[in-house]
Amino acid sequence: GENVEQHPSTLSVQEGDSAVIKCTYSDSASNYFPWYKQELGKRPQLIIDIRSNVGEKKDQRIAVTLNKTAKHFSLHITETQPEDSAVYFCAAKRGANNLFFGTGTRLTVIP
Amino acid sequence: DGGITQSPKYLFRKEGQNVTLSCEQNLNHDAMYWYRQDPGQGLRLIYYSQIVNDFQKGDIAEGYSVSREKKESFPLTVTSAQKNPTAFYLCASSMGRSGRGRWTDTQYFGPGTRLTVL
Repeated sequence: GENVEQHPSTLSVQEGDSAVIKCTYSDSASNYFPWYKQELGKRPQLIIDIRSNVGEKKDQRIAVTLNKTAKHFSLHITETQPEDSAVYFCAAKRGANNLFFGTGTRLTVIP
Repeated sequence: DGGITQSPKYLFRKEGQNVTLSCEQNLNHDAMYWYRQDPGQGLRLIYYSQIVNDFQKGDIAEGYSVSREKKESFPLTVTSAQKNPTAFYLCASSMGRSGRGRWTDTQYFGPGTRLTVL
């Protein structure tokens, strides 16, 4: 099955700086890669996703890049704000198979 | 996300008791999922159902059971056989197959149930 590894497990940045979270996956046939944001005690919320037919996708301050050859994808958050503080999860999926999640990154944005 | 509800929000169980967690969705989604989340860990799949009256075991199904008698409902029972049931339980749903026959991917989560064994 798929194995998704996520780094770092914790990340602290100053407000206004950028944050980068990286994930690797093992199944070269995986073709869908979502990122979820989870605030304390709340449900995970989809913030951005990318499919294997593109290398990068952007939505305002959030971007995701995908390197299929190296089997890794990254979340980039620019101009971080305190409300970006949360746990972020990456995941990978192949076709009709289920999502496999990384172990999460706790991002703290210091005002 | 507002179309998926879970109840109760908090649940306390004595050892040896079975408890059932509710998950309902009004999104007309075919597929539904149950995940378990422990501190410092990612989401682990317990059971999933891609269509009514059918469900499959996920990675950590032991000590759990489910049913899918209606499209909108996917209850999870935590049995006394589950050795360490204290966790945050999340239900999710996705559309399943689109009108074009493609498998749609995006999963939407419910608000979760926090189960504590006393």
